[in-house]
Amino acid sequence: AQKVTQAQTEISVVEKEDVTLDCVYETRDTTYYLFWYKQPPSGELVFLIRRNSFDEQNEISGRYSWNFQKSTSSFNFTITASQVVDSAVYFCALSEGNTGGFKTIFGAGTRLFVKA
Amino acid sequence: DAGVIQSPRHEVTEMGQEVTLRCKPISGHDYLFWYRQTMMRGLELLIYFNNNVPIDDSGMPEDRFSAKMPNASFSTLKIQPSEPRDSAVYFCASTSSGIYETQYFGPGTRLLVL
Repeated sequence: AQKVTQAQTEISVVEKEDVTLDCVYETRDTTYYLFWYKQPPSGELVFLIRRNSFDEQNEISGRYSWNFQKSTSSFNFTITASQVVDSAVYFCALSEGNTGGFKTIFGAGTRLFVKA
Repeated sequence: DAGVIQSPRHEVTEMGQEVTLRCKPISGHDYLFWYRQTMMRGLELLIYFNNNVPIDDSGMPEDRFSAKMPNASFSTLKIQPSEPRDSAVYFCASTSSGIYETQYFGPGTRLLVL
């Protein structure tokens, strides 16, 4: 069955700390995509990254980095030197399927508080 | 380029009333998705369209919910009659040619049914 688990409901850190948000997924498909979205207090959903199941290379974008490990079905997100503006809810999502049978499942989200 | 546009941004209505939510996808995107976000159930995919055709509506909770996409630049999600448990934030998202492509979300409509 398709499932995305974000076990951390809330994380609180002090500014400049590094923080890792965990995401574990389940799927029977060999072709799938993983996503991270950010939802700041204003409520919109902001795309952060997309990764396909055949590309396990880690990615870094500024203070953000992602670690994709198929062996553990994990796609973790690390924020280095966190800032107050990083305070938001972060969602991990999984898309799988082909035309006619497609699903996107979102995790429950991790609420990150970054204190000054 | 304008992003996904949703209207209204906020809607307060009374139980039993009809509610219509509107969405304009990003120009050129041929997939459109409707999601509902609640505290209890998180983000749920309700229905999605490809080239204006509904492909999967298995996430639509009840017959009170219906969605249409009369053309490539407009979609509606209608709830009739509305109930308090329909209170949620409803997001519309669109993506270009490919179900694995990044979905770009609108700002959402916050619906409160009294």
